[in-house]
Amino acid sequence: GEDVEQSLFLSVREGDSSVINCTYTDSSSTYLYWYKQEPGAGLQLLTYIFSNMDMKQDQRLTVLLNKKDKHLSLRIADTQTGDSAIYFCADYGSGNTGKLIFGQGTTLQVKP
Amino acid sequence: DAGVIQSPRHEVTEMGQEVTLRCKPISGHDYLFWYRQTMMRGLELLIYFNNNVPIDDSGMPEDRFSAKMPNASFSTLKIQPSEPRDSAVYFCASSHRTQNYGYTFGSGTRLTVV
Repeated sequence: GEDVEQSLFLSVREGDSSVINCTYTDSSSTYLYWYKQEPGAGLQLLTYIFSNMDMKQDQRLTVLLNKKDKHLSLRIADTQTGDSAIYFCADYGSGNTGKLIFGQGTTLQVKP
Repeated sequence: DAGVIQSPRHEVTEMGQEVTLRCKPISGHDYLFWYRQTMMRGLELLIYFNNNVPIDDSGMPEDRFSAKMPNASFSTLKIQPSEPRDSAVYFCASSHRTQNYGYTFGSGTRLTVV
């Protein structure tokens, strides 16, 4: 079945850029998502990209999609301590199931 | 809209007791999902509904778990009898195809079985 993989941990300094990577296996993906989970909270949709796009920018967030390599990344510019959280990549693919496939989540630690 | 509403936020119960978790999805959303999150296993999909009908319950761990969606605005997840290994955060999420299927999650119910 479809699978989504992420590295588990990333540590950066405040003010640096963070890049969180994700790979997926479904060649029929239509939408790919990034969710953020802060401690004690539910997952919050950050942004998504349609599969026919290469890039999407939203303020400090830049999403890059390499469909050939099935690789998705989330870049956070000028990372702040408030960006410390778990970031989940998710894929909506083929089959019209309505179901997203989530990665394991990447814990982003921002050091002052 | 108030978002996806889950209750209770925290539940502490003794082993063997019945536990019922509740979820009110966003009005108009036609998909509802129940997830469980633990440190060991991460985020697991338990069951999901489309238009109040269960579509896939293959993630429900045992017969002790059951879920219902009697109408478009309410769903329950029941554990009977509860066991300490059921301790986790349980999330409900809803979505609609016209919103590109992106989920809106509730704040979760933290269940502790002692």
